[in-house]
Amino acid sequence: AQSVTQPDIHITVSEGASLELRCNYSYGATPYLFWYVQSPGQGLQLLLKYFSGDTLVQGIKGFEAEFKRSQSSFNLRKPSVHWSDAAEYFCAVGVLRAGSYQLTFGKGTKLSVIP
Amino acid sequence: DAGVIQSPRHEVTEMGQEVTLRCKPISGHNSLFWYRQTMMRGLELLIYFNNNVPIDDSGMPEDRFSAKMPNASFSTLKIQPSEPRDSAVYFCASIGRGLAGVYEQYFGPGTRLTVT
Repeated sequence: AQSVTQPDIHITVSEGASLELRCNYSYGATPYLFWYVQSPGQGLQLLLKYFSGDTLVQGIKGFEAEFKRSQSSFNLRKPSVHWSDAAEYFCAVGVLRAGSYQLTFGKGTKLSVIP
Repeated sequence: DAGVIQSPRHEVTEMGQEVTLRCKPISGHNSLFWYRQTMMRGLELLIYFNNNVPIDDSGMPEDRFSAKMPNASFSTLKIQPSEPRDSAVYFCASIGRGLAGVYEQYFGPGTRLTVT
């Protein structure tokens, strides 16, 4: 069965600093990988996804992620964090099944931004 | 498009009562998912439907939980009887083609359930 590990429960960065959120996955085949963001009291919004092709994926809000098969990782990065980026971030692996796909999520990383 | 619609947004009920959560997926999406989110367990997939048919309900915690999708535009998640440990945020999501034709999962705003 597939699984996702986000080793950092909580990260605090200063506004304007760079950010990297870690994600490791376990899956036997080529994974579909996703990053979602959740603001307090809100649903999950898709930031970016990797299905195939270029291993560096660009997303919304200036985020990017790099798929590294050798490390089973899909880390999320942003060069300069804004206060509005404070939220919880979830990494997920998608598995095709019965004509659809289901997501397995990591436990999430809460990002706090210091002004 | 209004996105995935869930109702109610908040529900407070007493232990033992029946609770029904509702979801309207995005029009044209043929897969629907119910998730539960808690601090302790994170996001858990409860059940998902493909073309209104339940495909995998292995995440449904107990027989007290049931889900239906009578048509392509409506689904319910019912808890009967409810217990305090069912307190969580319940999300509904549907899948459809996003930009470049790649399937994406869109989440509703969630229902925050509190069972006292």
